[in-house]
Amino acid sequence: AQSVAQPEDQVNVAEGNPLTVKCTYSVSGNPYLFWYVQYPNRGLQFLLKYITGDNLVKGSYGFEAEFNKSQTSFHLKKPSALVSDSALYFCAVRDIKAAGNKLTFGGGTRVLVKP
Amino acid sequence: DGGITQSPKYLFRKEGQNVTLSCEQNLNHDAMYWYRQDPGQGLRLIYYSQIVNDFQKGDIAEGYSVSREKKESFPLTVTSAQKNPTAFYLCASSTSGTGSYEQYFGPGTRLTVT
Repeated sequence: AQSVAQPEDQVNVAEGNPLTVKCTYSVSGNPYLFWYVQYPNRGLQFLLKYITGDNLVKGSYGFEAEFNKSQTSFHLKKPSALVSDSALYFCAVRDIKAAGNKLTFGGGTRVLVKP
Repeated sequence: DGGITQSPKYLFRKEGQNVTLSCEQNLNHDAMYWYRQDPGQGLRLIYYSQIVNDFQKGDIAEGYSVSREKKESFPLTVTSAQKNPTAFYLCASSTSGTGSYEQYFGPGTRLTVT
């Protein structure tokens, strides 16, 4: 079985400050990990993914994520947050050995960037 | 949202009526998915299809049905058996197989049943 936890329902940050959104996962084998962002009443937009190799993954809009196998984490980061980054962020996981391409999503973290 | 369309954006129905949500993609993806999103909750998988004329139940399939007659289309029917159908419904597609393929999402349909 595969699962994802996003321990924070909401993260508040001042514009220009670093932003971190936490994600931990559980899979029986090795993971594929994804981050998505959702703006109000919209679908999810893909930000970045971890496959293998470099533990620091760079994605869209200045976001990056750090894979940590020992801590089973994949935290999303942005060095300097913008007000326009305010949205709902989802982490998702898939076990490499799992059949098909079923993703398991976390419950989401709402990010509020204040000017 | 490019490449996947969902219609309508908002849908209102009376309790006891079946309703069908449309999902079309032009990304040439083999796999398609339906998710349900409730306020304050993550996405829950309803049904998915890896190839035309084949589909599997997800985690919350009860009260829903799907068909996959064409590669481009994966309509979802919310039946009167679904006890709490009011939700935001998201369709997604991806390359099929065991690779690290991200899913691409449509803009969603917000269904309200009264």
